[in-house]
Amino acid sequence: EAGVAQSPRYKIIEKRQSVAFWCNPISGHATLYWYQQILGQGPKLLIQFQNNGVVDDSQLPKDRFSAERLKGVDSTLKIQPAKLEDSAVYLCASSLEPGWVNEQYFGPGTRLTVT
Amino acid sequence: AQSVTQPDIHITVSEGASLELRCNYSYGATPYLFWYVQSPGQGLQLLLKYFSGDTLVQGIKGFEAEFKRSQSSFNLRKPSVHWSDAAEYFCAVGYFSNDYKLSFGAGTTVTVRA
Repeated sequence: EAGVAQSPRYKIIEKRQSVAFWCNPISGHATLYWYQQILGQGPKLLIQFQNNGVVDDSQLPKDRFSAERLKGVDSTLKIQPAKLEDSAVYLCASSLEPGWVNEQYFGPGTRLTVT
Repeated sequence: AQSVTQPDIHITVSEGASLELRCNYSYGATPYLFWYVQSPGQGLQLLLKYFSGDTLVQGIKGFEAEFKRSQSSFNLRKPSVHWSDAAEYFCAVGYFSNDYKLSFGAGTTVTVRA
């Protein structure tokens, strides 16, 4: 079974530029999560999708971050414009359904450096 | 509000020695607790989880964790570490807010010396 795929793995941009990350969850997983992991901290949930609908985006800085999951499969996370404090690893995870009994499977992440 | 504290930022242990990683949680309801491991360049992998029942939980890779409600703790242990156990370990508590979510601690980095 293929795992959660993410690309790119690394990205370096200057502040005020835009960037997009892509995630392909495990086939058949209805729930998709985007996390931000700043160096020295644990992952923090940014947004959660159930199929192609947003369940929770309360922690997403909507003035600069956006995410979509068209067709309920792949997802993209965009930052525009980027700030220095956005430097982090962006993790995508998926699960069959929401709920703790359903394990979240994580991708390898995209490491973003904003200079 | 829920929170997780991992008091140890970094632990160094000799190969073959035992390992214990501490985790304290704060949550008003019945806790659902998890331990994840993150190896360099890889995503997080679930080691074990506690929902209810036996307070000693067995996981993958020879890890176990013990839930102690009186101490609000969920410490992770391994009797004999291998060099491949060098990684970052995260404790998390599950909570419900609009939907089921995880709140992670800041992590403990484990270094294994030969």
